Amino acid sequence: EVQLVESGGGLVQPGGSLRLSCVASGFTFSDYQLEWIRQAPGKGLEWVGRSRGKTKSYTTEYAASVKGRFTISRDHSKNSLYLEMNSLKVEDTAVYYCTRDNWGSDHWGQGAWVTVSS
Amino acid sequence: QSALTQPPSASGTPGQRVTISCSGTISNIGSFDVHWYQQFPGRVPKLLVHRDNQRLSGVPDRFSGSKSGTSASLVISGLRSEDEADYYCAAWDGSLPGLSFGGGTKLTVL
Repeated sequence: EVQLVESGGGLVQPGGSLRLSCVASGFTFSDYQLEWIRQAPGKGLEWVGRSRGKTKSYTTEYAASVKGRFTISRDHSKNSLYLEMNSLKVEDTAVYYCTRDNWGSDHWGQGAWVTVSS
Repeated sequence: QSALTQPPSASGTPGQRVTISCSGTISNIGSFDVHWYQQFPGRVPKLLVHRDNQRLSGVPDRFSGSKSGTSASLVISGLRSEDEADYYCAAWDGSLPGLSFGGGTKLTVL
């Protein structure tokens, strides 16, 4: 069974940093593209970025709104995906989902809440 | 502002057919696959249709996707009360580049 479990969310002040983790199981981690997608309270879905799979050399891409502030990485020994978030802004407040891409995000984690507030 | 445009709301009565549109450009819908997600309040989104018109396993055949040019549609036939949810379209956008979502359509079953 495919599972994605996020952790690391919390309350942080503007300008602060936070790292989200996503532990994957039930599939070959290196083969798949993985995404971070967020949803602000009462708002729609917003793509944050992606880590492509092995065949695409694990390259990453980011939404313009987070480029230069957020970094996506993998640890294959732990089947884990990370989202390092720096220079956080109030507008980054959202639930952050880790998803597996298989021609669309076919599996989602339960989400990790990030609140940026003073 | 989303690169993909959806109506903010749609409605229908049980048994009716409802269409949710998703309008884009040549750089997104016109060039890449469209995917559709369903999200109930407080729940994680679920992929319903991918690659324009392919239903995921277990999705009722009442749900169907289509695409023509720079627009896509999700059609729900035989509407049921349990279909009341938010629906989002998504497609890669080569001009950004990045994945674009529509703003979402809240479907109400009257």
